Amino acid sequence: KQEVTQIPAALSVPEGENLVLNCSFTDSAIYNLQWFRQDPGKGLTSLLLIQSSQREQTSGRLNASLDKSSGRSTLYIAASQPGDSATYLCAVITGNQFYFGTGTSLTVIP
Amino acid sequence: GAGVSQSPSNKVTEKGKDVELRCDPISGHTALYWYRQSLGQGLEFLIYFQGNSAPDKSGLPSDRFSAERTGGSVSTLTIQRTQQEDSAVYLCASSFAPPGELFFGEGSRLTVL
Repeated sequence: KQEVTQIPAALSVPEGENLVLNCSFTDSAIYNLQWFRQDPGKGLTSLLLIQSSQREQTSGRLNASLDKSSGRSTLYIAASQPGDSATYLCAVITGNQFYFGTGTSLTVIP
Repeated sequence: GAGVSQSPSNKVTEKGKDVELRCDPISGHTALYWYRQSLGQGLEFLIYFQGNSAPDKSGLPSDRFSAERTGGSVSTLTIQRTQQEDSAVYLCASSFAPPGELFFGEGSRLTVL
């Protein structure tokens, strides 16, 4: 069964810092990988989708990379802002199932 | 609609009562998922619908839980004889098939007293 791990579980950084969130998975036979953010009491908001044939995707200050062979993805956030404070989750898609990590809780300190 | 819509947003019920949670997916999305998120926990898969295929019910925690999807669109998750451990946020998500980008609703927060 696919296992998805996100490290660290929590991260606190000063405003303006660049940061990297990590996601690892055990089965490299994935279809896609998707990054989400979740604000307290809210649903998940899609940030980036990386298809298995892609190495990275960019949206604004966000850049996600995918290395299937090593079972890893990273989410790079440039010039962090207090509004980036949220929980970030990655999910890998194998077959018809999405396997979620437990998330990294990010706090950006003004 | 523009996004995935869920109702009610909040539901408080007494132990033993039945509840129904509704999900209206994005128009044209053939795949629909239900997840449960307990306080401070990760997402727990409940059930998956894809077009007219038989649903994948492998995540339903007990036979008190059931779900249906009518006309390939709106879905209803029903919990019978609710228990306190059913208290959680129930999240619905939809995508084009084969599994593409997944979009979530805001969730239905269920509290069982």
